[in-house]
Amino acid sequence: QKEVEQDPGPLSVPEGAIVSLNCTYSNSAFQYFMWYRQYSRKGPELLMYTYSSGNKEDGRFTAQVDKSSKYISLFIRDSQPSDSATYLCAASNSGYALNFGKGTSLLVTP
Amino acid sequence: GAVVSQHPSRVICKSGTSVKIECRSLDFQATTMFWYRQFPKQSLMLMATSNEGSKATYEQGVEKDKFLINHASLTLSTLTVTSAHPEDSSFYICSAREAVNEKLFFGSGTQLSVL
Repeated sequence: QKEVEQDPGPLSVPEGAIVSLNCTYSNSAFQYFMWYRQYSRKGPELLMYTYSSGNKEDGRFTAQVDKSSKYISLFIRDSQPSDSATYLCAASNSGYALNFGKGTSLLVTP
Repeated sequence: GAVVSQHPSRVICKSGTSVKIECRSLDFQATTMFWYRQFPKQSLMLMATSNEGSKATYEQGVEKDKFLINHASLTLSTLTVTSAHPEDSSFYICSAREAVNEKLFFGSGTQLSVL
């Protein structure tokens, strides 16, 4: 079993919709949680970085971590076609080498 | 955010040749850099962890003699794919860990095609 599980999608939503992306993890020692956005054939771009449980908001993006259920989420409000990309969740117990999910492919249609 | 420069972005080479990929942290010092490979529609797979001034730590199943990693300075790490074969064709990505806040920033990746 991979330490971080993520539904690969694809997920298709209309422009303006609220997008919910989710991952589960198995290692209770994980303390650092990240979301990356990756456009095709590009390196991942750090979107959100959280430590331990709780919510973090940055513009249209909200990251949520529930350590009791080992569940991490990314919400995108007012989604735009430019948000179309693959979103990777990642977790780590040290901030060092990350354990990545497979990535969820998101398509926001105009 | 911090910038990590990786090049070349794309390289095509003949089987048996060696290819060097560079990863530079442009505006911060990176004591630790990581190298990943990514196959189509797959997640990033960590290959090795590179610490400045010391030998790289390779993940299980990654041949250290084939994938040579050098981290000679706080801003530069290189990955050399030696005697490349078609099965080495993949997307290689580096990342650098910012010492201050421990965040990881990624290079833009290198698409390697071995003919």
